[in-house]
Amino acid sequence: DVKVTQSSRYLVKRTGEKVFLECVQDMDHENMFWYRQDPGLGLRLIYFSYDVKMKEKGDIPEGYSVSREKKERFSLILESASTNQTSMYLCASSPLGLAGYGTQYFGPGTRLTVL
Amino acid sequence: AQRVTQPEKLLSVFKGAPVELKCNYSYSGSPELFWYVQYSRQRLQLLLRHISRESIKGFTADLNKGETSFHLKKPFAQEEDSAMYYCALRTGNQFYFGTGTSLTVIP
Repeated sequence: DVKVTQSSRYLVKRTGEKVFLECVQDMDHENMFWYRQDPGLGLRLIYFSYDVKMKEKGDIPEGYSVSREKKERFSLILESASTNQTSMYLCASSPLGLAGYGTQYFGPGTRLTVL
Repeated sequence: AQRVTQPEKLLSVFKGAPVELKCNYSYSGSPELFWYVQYSRQRLQLLLRHISRESIKGFTADLNKGETSFHLKKPFAQEEDSAMYYCALRTGNQFYFGTGTSLTVIP
């Protein structure tokens, strides 16, 4: 079974703090993703990475950055947290590949509250 | 641009009744579509994908390119089907999710 783990289930930070969310997958997947999940808005892609040190902006990258130094680890960074970044953050991974192989595997999520 | 649309935020059906969760997409190429499900206090997980033409937990979904739809159907809803359902479109290495439909099956 694919395992995607996230460093924290719950996190409370103050406005202006730098926040790191870590994600690790153990299936040697090339692709990794960060989403935020908000009621009524569904999942919105923040960033994704298709290889080590490679990253692509998703739909809502503003206020976020990412780091992928190792294949199994993908970090989301909030440079200066703001209250509108309070949300559930989901990490996912998927293998690179042909049609039918694009299934995403999700982590349990990190619920971030910015005060 | 909204690539995946799920028009119903909330859907309630009685146990044993048929259920259909709607999904429409906009994409000019050959779409690859998925349904994901999130049960209470569980992580988001794949339910089914159109390319497999499979039935999972009694659910099926048929890709209709003419109507650009990928509706999820089950003939007889069960209480354990209560969950949040997301339709997703894959293009290359990027995924686009709909806003989700919360299904409640009333006993």
